[in-house]
Amino acid sequence: AQTVTQSQPEMSVQEAETVTLSCTYDTSESDYYLFWYKQPPSRQMILVIRQEAYKQQNATENRFSVNFQKAAKSFSLKISDSQLGDAAMYFCAYRSGDDKIIFGKGTRLHILP
Amino acid sequence: EPEVTQTPSHQVTQMGQEVILRCVPISNHLYFYWYRQILGQKVEFLVSFYNNEISEKSEIFDDQFSVERPDGSNFTLKIRSTKLEDSAMYFCASSEPGALNSPLHFGNGTRLTVT
Repeated sequence: AQTVTQSQPEMSVQEAETVTLSCTYDTSESDYYLFWYKQPPSRQMILVIRQEAYKQQNATENRFSVNFQKAAKSFSLKISDSQLGDAAMYFCAYRSGDDKIIFGKGTRLHILP
Repeated sequence: EPEVTQTPSHQVTQMGQEVILRCVPISNHLYFYWYRQILGQKVEFLVSFYNNEISEKSEIFDDQFSVERPDGSNFTLKIRSTKLEDSAMYFCASSEPGALNSPLHFGNGTRLTVT
């Protein structure tokens, strides 16, 4: 069965600094997709970034980028120039042929002013 | 931008009662999902729904739960005989047909409190 592991329950970063959130996953599939979702205090689930497993190039969305290491089954999220509004719970997620998404347990990110 | 809408935002019910959580997915989406998140814990998959039937369900989704798409727009989750441990945030989500990289679009959630 596929699993998603986020080993950092909480992290803190100074405003304007860069932070990296870790995620590893386990799968025997070769074709899949990876996502990072953000859950702010409002409890919404907001898509931050997605990565196709067949693409070697790391996805980027403005200040958000990923370091996708397929062989290592690692999918970390880098947030550059951290802003107060980035404070949230971040969930790493995996999706393959069966269409559900599996989430990690989340990392709570604190932004220090 | 189209949104998934969920009602109510907060539902309080007594143990043993039945509740129906309602969702209106994005109109051109064909895959629908329910997830739940017990306070402070991970987001857990409950069920996926496609072509008017359940395509997959988790161990959590037992006979106490059912889903329905009663018309062309609503997607409901019914919880029968609620228990204290059913208290959680319930998220509805939908996604476009086809590609795996179609992300799930989540509603804002319904907070269910069972007393």
